[in-house]
Amino acid sequence: AQSVSQHNHHVILSEAASLELGCNYSYGGTVNLFWYVQYPGQHLQLLLKYFSGDPLVKGIKGFEAEFIKSKFSFNLRKPSVQWSDTAEYFCAVKNSGGYQKVTFGTGTKLQVIP
Amino acid sequence: DSGVTQTPKHLITATGQRVTLRCSPRSGDLSVYWYQQSLDQGLQFLIHYYNGEERAKGNILERFSAQQFPDLHSELNLSSLELGDSALYFCASSYGGGDEQYFGPGTRLTVT
Repeated sequence: AQSVSQHNHHVILSEAASLELGCNYSYGGTVNLFWYVQYPGQHLQLLLKYFSGDPLVKGIKGFEAEFIKSKFSFNLRKPSVQWSDTAEYFCAVKNSGGYQKVTFGTGTKLQVIP
Repeated sequence: DSGVTQTPKHLITATGQRVTLRCSPRSGDLSVYWYQQSLDQGLQFLIHYYNGEERAKGNILERFSAQQFPDLHSELNLSSLELGDSALYFCASSYGGGDEQYFGPGTRLTVT
């Protein structure tokens, strides 16, 4: 069964600091990968996704993620965070091809200090 | 606004009771997913329906059940409620099975 690991449970950064959130998955086949964000008191919304092609994916609000197949990783990055990026971030993976359910990681809470 | 609607927004009930949560997917989406989010367990996948049929089950208790109706809306039934069932329940929809999901605003259930 596939699984997703987000090793950082809680990250605290100052504004303008660079961000990298780790995401590793376990599955040997072809995958589709997602990052979702949940702002305080709100529902999850899609930040970016990778299905195929360029492994460097750009999403909304200046976020990007890089798919490294050899490392089974899909880390989320942002060069300079803002206070408004304070949220919880979820990585998710789905085995591509045919039906497979999406598995979510446990989430990383990001707190940005002004 | 994701286009996914959930009712009610808040629900307060007593232990042992039964409640029904409702979800309407985005127009055109055939899949509906249910998730439970609590402080100690994080985001847990409960169940997925596609075009009226159950497609996958996650960590869903036997006291919980769901269905998807011909008009594609879905209901999550929670019975014999316990204090530990207090959580946010999210519904999400997608066109197919496993595509990017669009989440609703959630129903906050408080069991007293």
